[in-house]
Amino acid sequence: KNQVEQSPQSLIILEGKNCTLQCNYTVSPFSNLRWYKQDTGRGPVSLTIMTFSENTKSNGRYTATLDADTKQSSLHITASQLSDSASYICVVSPGAGGTSYGKLTFGQGTILTVHP
Amino acid sequence: KAGVTQTPRYLIKTRGQQVTLSCSPISGHRSVSWYQQTPGQGLQFLFEYFSETQRNKGNFPGRFSGRQFSNSRSEMNVSTLELGDSALYLCASTVIAGPNSYEQYFGPGTRLTVT
Repeated sequence: KNQVEQSPQSLIILEGKNCTLQCNYTVSPFSNLRWYKQDTGRGPVSLTIMTFSENTKSNGRYTATLDADTKQSSLHITASQLSDSASYICVVSPGAGGTSYGKLTFGQGTILTVHP
Repeated sequence: KAGVTQTPRYLIKTRGQQVTLSCSPISGHRSVSWYQQTPGQGLQFLFEYFSETQRNKGNFPGRFSGRQFSNSRSEMNVSTLELGDSALYLCASTVIAGPNSYEQYFGPGTRLTVT
């Protein structure tokens, strides 16, 4: 069964600090991996997307890494801000576009809280 | 370009009733996917529609159904509501962005509470 496991489940950090969220997946074959940010009561918003051939992708203070051999990804947040408080969800696609959108496998998410 | 819109945003129903949720994708997007999100299960795929045809379906009972209209707007229906159907229902509008790549945009969701 395709699975995506995220850790930690929740994390509390102080404003200005860095943090790293982890995502391990068993989805195979694998096409791409995406990190979403979901604010409370809102829909998820895409932060980064990486194909199996990419190792890293940045979006401002967010940097995602991917190791397709070990099936692990991480999301590193630099100089955290209060607005980074949200749920971060790792999503893995098993196939290339076309009819595969519905086969996305979602992680449970990591709830990040940034305190002043 | 307007984003994905979902109506209503909040809904309270009682057990046994049925409910219809609506989703309007981004203009030009023909693929609409529906997801159920609960604290215990996270995001779970319900179904996907493309050009008025259901293209994929998740592992949900037949009480959950959907359809898509010619203007790409989509509705999902849940009949004989159960307490466990209380969740945030998210709609996503998807477009192919390149080889092995797509862009998926989520709406704000409909918060359904079943009492």
